[in-house]
Amino acid sequence: NAGVTQTPKFQVLKTGQSMTLQCAQDMNHNSMYWYRQDPGMGLRLIYYSASEGTTDKGEVPNGYNVSRLNKREFSLRLESAAPSQTSVYFCATRAGAGAEAFFGQGTRLTVV
Amino acid sequence: AQRVTQPEKLLSVFKGAPVELKCNYSYSGSPELFWYVQYSRQRLQLLLRHISRESIKGFTADLNKGETSFHLKKPFAQEEDSAMYYCALRSLSGNTPLVFGKGTRLSVIA
Repeated sequence: NAGVTQTPKFQVLKTGQSMTLQCAQDMNHNSMYWYRQDPGMGLRLIYYSASEGTTDKGEVPNGYNVSRLNKREFSLRLESAAPSQTSVYFCATRAGAGAEAFFGQGTRLTVV
Repeated sequence: AQRVTQPEKLLSVFKGAPVELKCNYSYSGSPELFWYVQYSRQRLQLLLRHISRESIKGFTADLNKGETSFHLKKPFAQEEDSAMYYCALRSLSGNTPLVFGKGTRLSVIA
């Protein structure tokens, strides 16, 4: 039982490059979330998907897109990476209202 | 607007000393409050939630609606408590995302 798995764990991009961060869960949870973690800023919500087939913007969605491919997978895409997107990205899942959130191990992204 | 404030970026205490990590919130409605912890090189994990009223690893937190606070306390700090601690809230009703504070790094000195 892997829980919440993020790939890759580390990535270095050049400014302007694109990439997709993957998140997969085997917990049969309905809701999935993407956060970014920056020093002194805590965790900020980028996008979330309350259930399969729906996505909504969070606090800091600019520069990102998401796809809820199916119930298990929720990907985060950077179309044209910028140095300001250097961060640690966390995926999280939750069964629904009232349930505990479970986090992936994070993806450390550096944009040079 | 929902907001979680953790006023201390860093808190250093000696082993065996009491610990209090402060968390204040603003929310127009009934929130559920949480403390999450991130140990070095590990993923975030739930430490406790106000609904459960539990004591986890010696930590407790009481929701004070009058002061809109949810401070995390432990009477005797241990070295293994050194970690990043995040206070978070969400609505009690509905399936809404967690809103996190900026975090407090706790360093327990031997």
